[in-house]
Amino acid sequence: AQSVTQLGSHVSVSEGALVLLRCNYSSSVPPYLFWYVQYPNQGLQLLLKYTSAATLVKGINGFEAEFKKSETSFHLTKPSAHMSDAAEYFCAVSDLGGYGKLTFGQGTILTVHP
Amino acid sequence: ETGVTQTPRHLVMGMTNKKSLKCEQHLGHNAMYWYKQSAKKPLELMFVYNFKEQTENNSVPSRFSPECPNSSHLFLHLHTLQPEDSALYLCASSQDTGLANQPQHFGDGTRLSIL
Repeated sequence: AQSVTQLGSHVSVSEGALVLLRCNYSSSVPPYLFWYVQYPNQGLQLLLKYTSAATLVKGINGFEAEFKKSETSFHLTKPSAHMSDAAEYFCAVSDLGGYGKLTFGQGTILTVHP
Repeated sequence: ETGVTQTPRHLVMGMTNKKSLKCEQHLGHNAMYWYKQSAKKPLELMFVYNFKEQTENNSVPSRFSPECPNSSHLFLHLHTLQPEDSALYLCASSQDTGLANQPQHFGDGTRLSIL
């Protein structure tokens, strides 16, 4: 069975500061990993995905994530936070045996202070 | 029109009402999903359809009844709901449930409130 743990349900940063949102996964087979963002009153929007190519994945809005197999992690980073980055972020995992099912973490709410 | 569209965006209903949620995708995908998103809880997968066939029912109460007439449309029929069913209901689509490396694309959801 696969699972996802997002450390920290709330993260607060100042505008211009580094954003680091943590995600650890467990999977019995090589996983596929995704980060989604949800703005208020909207659905989930794909930020980036890891599908066993390059371990450093670049996404939209300046976000990137690095797949580290030894640490079973897929942390999301952005060098400089913008006010518009305030949202909830979800890490998700799927694998070949999951028939397309995504397992989501509980989400991390990012607050950006001026 | 592109992406995944859900209607209505907001719905208020009594416990004895019958209503339906609609989802339409214009991405040429073959798999469609219903999720329930409640406050302070992880997203809950409810149903999965692949090529119009239901492949997953995640122990959802029978007061929720899905329908998938074709690969582009998905409905969720609601009847005699309970207050704890108030939530955001999200629809998603993907290329095929057999392609685990393909992401799911989400609609903006229907905010359901049960009186």
